[in-house]
Amino acid sequence: GEDVEQSLFLSVREGDSSVINCTYTDSSSTYLYWYKQEPGAGLQLLTYIFSNMDMKQDQRLTVLLNKKDKHLSLRIADTQTGDSAIYFCAEDSSNTGKLIFGQGTTLQVKP
Amino acid sequence: GAVVSQHPSWVICKSGTSVKIECRSLDFQATTMFWYRQFPKQSLMLMATSNEGSKATYEQGVEKDKFLINHASLTLSTLTVTSAHPEDSSFYICSARAFRAGLSNQPQHFGDGTRLSIL
Repeated sequence: GEDVEQSLFLSVREGDSSVINCTYTDSSSTYLYWYKQEPGAGLQLLTYIFSNMDMKQDQRLTVLLNKKDKHLSLRIADTQTGDSAIYFCAEDSSNTGKLIFGQGTTLQVKP
Repeated sequence: GAVVSQHPSWVICKSGTSVKIECRSLDFQATTMFWYRQFPKQSLMLMATSNEGSKATYEQGVEKDKFLINHASLTLSTLTVTSAHPEDSSFYICSARAFRAGLSNQPQHFGDGTRLSIL
């Protein structure tokens, strides 16, 4: 069945780049997403990439998609303490519109 | 950008009470809304998919009589937790999107969640 995997924890120093990785299984997904969740809050859509793209850049965020390997990554340049949160990777089911979420990666940014 | 409003943000009530949570898409029409439940330090668990004008589709293991979902209009879906008990305490999050199968769709946008605490 459909599955999305992420590493659980990443720690970086302020000012460094962060790279969060994700693998997925549904090759027919239309979109792949990155959401950010701060403590006690809902999910904030950070960025998403259409499945026929390889890369998308939006200010400090760069998303890379390798369809052959079914690998998605999110790079945050110049990571700030305000970027500390849980980051969820998700793919959508092209048939039902449901999102399949990864377990979430906790990003810790040290001053 | 797309905004989804969820209300209330926090509810504390006694066991046996029914609680209604609202999810509204403020600046777009949502043909489909989703209800999720999130336990501490875990990912989101999809409870049900709500399509405007039809009955909700529940995921396996979710009691439809316990979690009543109504998608009254293209901008409003409600989740009612009936006769809530302490084990229903959780963080509930809704999302909304305009969706048509086979067409280019919009991403899901999430509400801020409702923290439900049953005493």
